[in-house]
Amino acid sequence: EVQLVESGGGLVQPGGSLRLSCAASGFTFSSYTMHWVRQAPGKGLEYVSAISTNGGSTYYANSVKGRFTISRDNFKNTLYLQMGSLRAEDMAVYYCARGPVIGAFDIWGQGTMVTVSS
Amino acid sequence: QSVLTQPPSVSGAPGQRVTISCTGSSSNIGAGYDVHWYQQLPGTAPKLLMYGYSNRPSGVPDRFSGSKSGTSASLAITGLQAEDEADYYCQSYDSSLSVVFGGGTKLTVL
Repeated sequence: EVQLVESGGGLVQPGGSLRLSCAASGFTFSSYTMHWVRQAPGKGLEYVSAISTNGGSTYYANSVKGRFTISRDNFKNTLYLQMGSLRAEDMAVYYCARGPVIGAFDIWGQGTMVTVSS
Repeated sequence: QSVLTQPPSVSGAPGQRVTISCTGSSSNIGAGYDVHWYQQLPGTAPKLLMYGYSNRPSGVPDRFSGSKSGTSASLAITGLQAEDEADYYCQSYDSSLSVVFGGGTKLTVL
């Protein structure tokens, strides 16, 4: 079964750090561009970051640039999002998704919640 | 403020037809970038519903259809069913080198 499973969410204080993981299975992970999309409570989807198949190219939304780092380990079939200098506005469910940059995201994980609060 | 504009809500009775619009600009939909649609049932992750304006992934009923006109796209749902009650999001790509989403539309089945 093609699947993405996120983990690593939790409660963190403002200014703190957190690393999210997204474990892929059922497909050739190294062949796909991967993405992070977040959804604040009661809000819509917000695009966060993307990484190319070999990790050589990355993209960040302005809202997270300089604070978040996306990476991947194609041997472990895992996508990561290192989040730093967290703010209240970063509080959201974070989804990983599979798909081309200019294309549809055909597989999504179930999401992991990040709560930023003191 | 989303780059792609969707109505916050639409509603319809079972069996009826509803449409959800997604309005962009010359830097995204008007530039020729495809529009994709996602369905998000309450408490779940988004699910791909339509790609490339009018293509349905396997398993999506043909009650769902998509179209494009100029700088806008539309999702139509015919034969509305209670299980269609969800949030719907459009997605495209923008010449500013970013994936963009619409603000989402909540569909209520009366």
